[in-house]
Amino acid sequence: GEDVEQSLFLSVREGDSSVINCTYTDSSSTYLYWYKQEPGAGLQLLTYIFSNMDMKQDQRLTVLLNKKDKHLSLRIADTQTGDSAIYFCAEGGKTGTASKLTFGTGTRLQVTL
Amino acid sequence: NAGVTQTPKFRILKIGQSMTLQCTQDMNHNYMYWYRQDPGMGLKLIYYSVGAGITDKGEVPNGYNVSRSTTEDFPLRLELAAPSQTSVYFCASSRLRTAPNYGYTFGSGTRLTVV
Repeated sequence: GEDVEQSLFLSVREGDSSVINCTYTDSSSTYLYWYKQEPGAGLQLLTYIFSNMDMKQDQRLTVLLNKKDKHLSLRIADTQTGDSAIYFCAEGGKTGTASKLTFGTGTRLQVTL
Repeated sequence: NAGVTQTPKFRILKIGQSMTLQCTQDMNHNYMYWYRQDPGMGLKLIYYSVGAGITDKGEVPNGYNVSRSTTEDFPLRLELAAPSQTSVYFCASSRLRTAPNYGYTFGSGTRLTVV
């Protein structure tokens, strides 16, 4: 079945880069996503990448996709205290199905001064 | 523009009680979903709906029921609450076709404790 795995915790200093990693098992996924969850809130879409791309950059965010290894990463440049949150990767978008996403366990990012 | 609205935000239930978690969206999205979030476990899909009158089970449907009588509303019913249902519940919606730049829109969640 589908499975998405992430490490549970990452601590970085303000101003450093953060790299959050994710592995997935379903190679038929069309899209891969990164969502951000701030305390007490729902998830918000941060960025996404098509499965036929290997990199996408969006301001401070860089998404890298290694389709061969089924590995997705999110790099946040110049990490700020406002980036402290839980980050979820998700895969989905397969044709012919409801748009169900499979989410990872989430990585809690702690930004220290 | 409200997006996805969930009520209540918090609730404490006694074992064996029942309740309905409400979810409504004003974006005319066809797809709606219920997830539960447990610490270190990520989000698990409980039920989903592809349109009014159509619902289907997700990964963890036992102990829950849903209905979808309108496009806007997708309530989740807990019958005979159990401590294992203590969790944070999220409702989400999405467009008919997967449009990645839109993704899912999530509600702010309902924190449920069963004692």
